[in-house]
Amino acid sequence: DTEVTQTPKHLVMGMTNKKSLKCEQHMGHRAMYWYKQKAKKPPELMFVYSYEKLSINESVPSRFSPECPNSSLLNLHLHALQPEDSALYLCASSQDPLGGSSYGYTFGSGTRLTVV
Amino acid sequence: QKEVEQNSGPLSVPEGAIASLNCTYSDRGSQSFFWYRQYSGKSPELIMSIYSNGDKEDGRFTAQLNKASQYVSLLIRDSQPSDSATYLCAVYGGATNKLIFGTGTLLAVQP
Repeated sequence: DTEVTQTPKHLVMGMTNKKSLKCEQHMGHRAMYWYKQKAKKPPELMFVYSYEKLSINESVPSRFSPECPNSSLLNLHLHALQPEDSALYLCASSQDPLGGSSYGYTFGSGTRLTVV
Repeated sequence: QKEVEQNSGPLSVPEGAIASLNCTYSDRGSQSFFWYRQYSGKSPELIMSIYSNGDKEDGRFTAQLNKASQYVSLLIRDSQPSDSATYLCAVYGGATNKLIFGTGTLLAVQP
């Protein structure tokens, strides 16, 4: 299995809702990442988990809460989002927690989030 | 100065031609360099990685790295309409230990 699976593929939520994005990989990768991508912009790093511990938080607002229950799963809990948070949310994983291997990052297909 | 810079394009080339995509980066300590292809509405797909100065070839793709000039390029030979996509340069290492993306170059291959 060489895939990163993200669910759901599309999500529409109101500003008072609570929802979660899920990400799963079975490649034995020890680092997992959340990126946010707005239209016609590059992916922007949000969080890095290394060996199931949060190692980087790019000053993301607390309305985004990551969780790594085990080495294969990564969640992103969403609460009280704003319309400007609408974007493609990408999960990625890498074999090397420092990301410096020639394998690079493997991305999931993303969750298209719309906040109304 | 942006950490990773690319010309946003669009770069338009005729089918069968060589497409040349360029990227510069600011952190001299950067260690690993990647090219991702992203079709509209899809997620990035890794197509090339390069560590050392020089060229690395994989099929129709050649990545070139010049650390002294802080320059990475991607050549696509025999370009096909299916190559039309945004190509993202990504750089890892140095001070940040993060994978940083350039803004991407939109490539359009004309049949």
